[in-house]
Amino acid sequence: QSALTQPASVSGSPGQSITISCTGTISDVAGYNYVSWYQQHPGKAPKLMIYDVSNRPSEVSYRFSGSKSGNTASLTISGLQAEDEADYYCTSYTTSSTYVFGTGTKVTVL
Amino acid sequence: EVQLVESGGGLVQPGGSLRLPCAASGFTFSSYWMHWVRQAPGKGLEWVSRIKYDGITTNYADSVKGRFTISRDSAKNMVYLEMNSLRVEDTAVYYCARGAMGFYYFDYWGQGTLVTVSS
Repeated sequence: QSALTQPASVSGSPGQSITISCTGTISDVAGYNYVSWYQQHPGKAPKLMIYDVSNRPSEVSYRFSGSKSGNTASLTISGLQAEDEADYYCTSYTTSSTYVFGTGTKVTVL
Repeated sequence: EVQLVESGGGLVQPGGSLRLPCAASGFTFSSYWMHWVRQAPGKGLEWVSRIKYDGITTNYADSVKGRFTISRDSAKNMVYLEMNSLRVEDTAVYYCARGAMGFYYFDYWGQGTLVTVSS
């Protein structure tokens, strides 16, 4: 199972919006609405930000949103803030009853 | 409060074995899938394995299939990862994670334990 493809890095200025893509195949992203997104700060455990493509846990800021089209899922961060600087990973359930993570994206707030 | 605490990490030689325990508390352990996810130094996350609440159904990543075994003890609220035939490329922080009930994502994570495979 190959990792889902994410851009290595995305940057933006405070207040701007950025979007991170996550590209898979019919066996994962395109086959299910089971894409989730995680934020990870250095030395910390990952934190759930989005589940089932576009659902946001109650404790996560409304500035985070998710969507999917075909085999590509996306995470959008609006009103970028300094604390959003972190690594972001998508993941999807697969037809093999396993999970596959994305390659990860480093978000930099300029 | 949900807590997941991994332990058992350390330095092991290539070809060696190690067992990682994960202690769970603050929830009804016997109702949830449990997972192991790893992260090599400076690299991305990699899903490793999962075990159903029945303790019978398990799944593994191709990279560890046949070498790693996941198990659980619901009486002790523990999940384990038995790692055999360890390779240098198995060096990583290993996280224990809870699968959200009825969903396909990880809602709680432990802080991880570092496994280093080196001669």
